[in-house]
Amino acid sequence: GNSVTQMEGPVTLSEEAFLTINCTYTATGYPSLFWYVQYPGEGLQLLLKATKADDKGSNKGFEATYRKETTSFHLEKGSVQVSDSAVYFCALTPSGGSYIPTFGRGTSLIVHP
Amino acid sequence: EAQVTQNPRYLITVTGKKLTVTCSQNMNHEYMSWYRQDPGLGLRQIYYSMNVEVTDKGDVPEGYKVSRKEKRNFPLILESPSPNQTSLYFCASRVPGGGYNEQFFGPGTRLTVL
Repeated sequence: GNSVTQMEGPVTLSEEAFLTINCTYTATGYPSLFWYVQYPGEGLQLLLKATKADDKGSNKGFEATYRKETTSFHLEKGSVQVSDSAVYFCALTPSGGSYIPTFGRGTSLIVHP
Repeated sequence: EAQVTQNPRYLITVTGKKLTVTCSQNMNHEYMSWYRQDPGLGLRQIYYSMNVEVTDKGDVPEGYKVSRKEKRNFPLILESPSPNQTSLYFCASRVPGGGYNEQFFGPGTRLTVL
């Protein structure tokens, strides 16, 4: 079956540090890949997505590139802010069938001033 | 405003007392689903619905029921709640057209079963 593996958290950074959260996946074909963010006390919301190989999704200074050869979709940001503190979920939706999504376990990011 | 709403947001109940968590979306989405979120386990899908009167089990359906009589509503029913169903629950819906579209999540319902 499909699976998504994220790096364990929490990730703790100082403001303006560089962020990488690793995400690798297992799926047949060409799934669509997503990063969702969950701020404290809220539901998940889409951060960015990529629907085919070599696509780069970007939003709010975050970026992730769909790497088919390494089955990865790592999330990066050049300079984090305190307001980026949240839980980040990597997810995939398969390219066929009933399009049932699979989520990673989430990575908590804590940014200190 | 396009949104997914859930009610109640917080609920404390006792073992065995039937409860329903409502979910409603105003975006005319066909696909809706329920998840539970537990520390260290991430999001796990309970049930999903591809359209009205079409529902199917997710990864952790035991102890839950759902119904989809109208496109906008997708209630989650716990007939006889137990303490291991204490969790944070999210409802979500998705734009039709395939897996490349993202899901929209509700704000969550925190359930405690004593």
